[in-house]
Amino acid sequence: GESVGLHLPTLSVQEGDNSIINCAYSNSASDYFIWYKQESGKGPQFIIDIRSNMDKRQGQRVTVLLNKTVKHLSLQIAATQPGDSAVYFCAENWMDSSYKLIFGSGTRLLVRP
Amino acid sequence: DVKVTQSSRYLVKRTGEKVFLECVQDMDHENMFWYRQDPGLGLRLIYFSYDVKMKEKGDIPEGYSVSREKKERFSLILESASTNQTSMYLCASSRDNEETQYFGPGTRLLVL
Repeated sequence: GESVGLHLPTLSVQEGDNSIINCAYSNSASDYFIWYKQESGKGPQFIIDIRSNMDKRQGQRVTVLLNKTVKHLSLQIAATQPGDSAVYFCAENWMDSSYKLIFGSGTRLLVRP
Repeated sequence: DVKVTQSSRYLVKRTGEKVFLECVQDMDHENMFWYRQDPGLGLRLIYFSYDVKMKEKGDIPEGYSVSREKKERFSLILESASTNQTSMYLCASSRDNEETQYFGPGTRLLVL
């Protein structure tokens, strides 16, 4: 089975509820942030991104919120579905890093039927 | 759609073997990356490349080397595999001047 999630914090939600996954980032100079979804046995998949000149960005059923004051990023998933069960990673890009991404350790989302 | 493919989904090798992991992307991306992913440690950058024949060390390059002879292909080489290199290896690519990286499906390597 998938071993990447052995030590991950886990969020369990009821199908149909909204999910909020949080991420604390490390560098106040980071100017770009991205959320990835990783299903069991697969590579990370791009969900949504946001630049530091924005506080909020919406996609299809997902919203990313950025609070630069406390260096906090969140991913909101509306009407969570069983297919949303996965590990979710945030990543940040440091302005002087030549497009390298620094990844968080991830949160496992479990959707209860 | 961006497609990043990796040559193997699963590999089993013995200590001391030379191991090649291949990655190919079909979107003409300039940047390519190799990561390893371990429980509790997240994704750690091994090497990356901004152009053909160009490479730069990431955060954990020891025990690895890379090759980029063609723009679409980026190879990760374990010169002499060791058990602590058992891991999930992920390749990614991105367009020049863009931060968004697109990942392959991963190669799960077991070194015995």
